[in-house]
Formats: sequence, structure tokens, C-alpha cells
Amino acid sequence: SQQGEEDPQALSIQEGENATMNCSYKTSINNLQWYRQNSGRGLVHLILIRSNEREKHSGRLRVTLDTSKKSSSLLITASRAADTASYFCATAFSNDYKLSFGAGTTVTVRA
Amino acid sequence: DGGITQSPKYLFRKEGQNVTLSCEQNLNHDAMYWYRQDPGQGLRLIYYSQIVNDFQKGDIAEGYSVSREKKESFPLTVTSAQKNPTAFYLCASSILQGLGTEAFFGQGTRLTVV
Repeated sequence: SQQGEEDPQALSIQEGENATMNCSYKTSINNLQWYRQNSGRGLVHLILIRSNEREKHSGRLRVTLDTSKKSSSLLITASRAADTASYFCATAFSNDYKLSFGAGTTVTVRA
Repeated sequence: DGGITQSPKYLFRKEGQNVTLSCEQNLNHDAMYWYRQDPGQGLRLIYYSQIVNDFQKGDIAEGYSVSREKKESFPLTVTSAQKNPTAFYLCASSILQGLGTEAFFGQGTRLTVV
């Protein structure tokens, strides 16, 4: 079974708007990571947040982690057409380096 | 250039055949992973390895086999026991350090049964 579950499954927004997606997980983790996948390609790492961190920023990306709720959110600000992709969260378990992915959120940015 | 390379990009398999997908990395990463992705779906973990000559089953290991004879290489064999092998296969690698680090992905191999 998959560790992380993203919500929503799909998101359609206008260029310039913000996009927010959420990830929930089930067991204790070392870190949580967000990746982007363009259609038919490999995944590209966006940001990693460790279990002892609560918020991280990278450019237009903002990630939060709430370990008490076992959830994370990814915010993309001022979206662009190039942000159209699928976004996945991945969790690395405590005491193990198994990296498990959720089902992803498909984001479409309309011009 | 450092990176992770999967080959071939496209692979066609006849019913009952075994096929092997190649994954090579020159990043000096300890951990390597194989995932399967079906259309419109997320990634499901097949096998992963943290050190040479050791690997662990993921969530969907049945019908697959792997080896880790060299740090740089982690080939995946899709055996005839895998009843529905048509999918996009992704290999990844990462450093094992502290609370974990990012994974680097190859560009994938699309396997089709004909």
C-alpha cells in the first residue's frame, strides 16, 4: 500500500494563481519530499523537509509539515504554464530508507 | 556528466519472455530503487537496495528480480511470472545520510508486452 496520499487528485488553475496540494501519510517518517513529473518523463526533486522542520521555502515553492497530523502541503505561488505537471509526495520511513510515493496531484495551469 | 541512466527507453516483450532493464548511476549513491508507474497512477516500489549484494522487496516485488553486484548498477528483470508487465519503469538513487536526502531519477523505460 502507498504511504502518502495526495489531495486533490487534479487541480486546474489560471496562470498567476496559487496552487495548493496536500499529502497525508500513516507512519513516522525521517523526511517528506515533493517531486514533479512532466508527462512521460522521470521525476524531478523539488524540496525535502525533515521530520524536525515545520516549513521550507524554495523559490515559488512553500512546503509545510505537521507531524502531529501526519500531513504536508505544497504551495506553488504565481503559477506559470510551465508548472503544468504531476506532483508527488514521497516519504522516507524512520529507521529505513524505503522511499514511498503517493498517487500524485495533476496540476494544469491555464494561460 | 553525473547522473542516472536507464536503458532502453522503450522495450517490447513477448508473452513468456524475461527481460532486463538497465539502471546505472555515477553519483556514488548508496541506495537505489525501482518503481513501476501505470497510466495516471503513482509510483509503486518494486525493490530497493541500500548496499552492494543486499536488497529488499518493495510493495509489488512478485514477478520481478534484481541484483546489486556493483554500487553503480541495479538491473531489474521482469520475469514471465509477472502477468501484467506493461508499464513505465523508473529507477532512482540517493545518498544514505542522516534523515535522508533527495532521490535522483532516470528518464524511465516504457515496457510493452506484444
